[in-house]
Amino acid sequence: QVQLVESGGGLVKPGGSLRLSCAASGFIFSDYYMTWIRQAPGKGLEWIAYISFSGRTMFYADSVEGRFTISRDNAKNSLYLQMNSLRAEDTALYYCAREDAGLDVWGQGTTVTVSS
Amino acid sequence: AIQLTQSPSPLSASVGDRVTITCRASEGISGALAWYQQKPGTPPKLLIYDASTLESGVPSRFSGSGSGADFTLTISSLQPEDFATYYCQQFYNFPYNFGQGTKLEI
Repeated sequence: QVQLVESGGGLVKPGGSLRLSCAASGFIFSDYYMTWIRQAPGKGLEWIAYISFSGRTMFYADSVEGRFTISRDNAKNSLYLQMNSLRAEDTALYYCAREDAGLDVWGQGTTVTVSS
Repeated sequence: AIQLTQSPSPLSASVGDRVTITCRASEGISGALAWYQQKPGTPPKLLIYDASTLESGVPSRFSGSGSGADFTLTISSLQPEDFATYYCQQFYNFPYNFGQGTKLEI
């Protein structure tokens, strides 16, 4: 079945780095744009990054621009989010999602906690 | 960046009610809008895309309308499983921002 599974979350100190992964299955991964979204505890959804089919075009939210990098490996059916210079306000549940006239497939999310 | 403002928030209603949630964009976005439903502890679920197209498998009591800067999500007859938080999202320009959410409660 169509599925996205995130991994790589955890506890990290302010200023630290983390790399999230999203494993896709059940569909032709290279046919779809992909997106990362996050949700801070008790808060709403925040769109943070987008990547095109080929991986050549990326866009970021201002809140993460210059600190986070989205990438993909179509041969491995995988999406990534490299997060550097992490701050307390980056604490959230991070989702990957497939874009097809809306975000139609979501993973269950992976939790990132930034705390000393 | 395009801002989306949802109203009302929260929204109190009862089973069987017809409810409407509004999403207003800070500038025109044509019909590039989606609606999602999120229940606690679960990821959002796509309900509507392109402002008015129902996602496959979504009950027909959900409908969307609007274009330009003003959009609505309507639930024609509330069911117990519809009590959740609803978000709009624009796909017109990056960043693809979400509205702040509307919690639909009893």
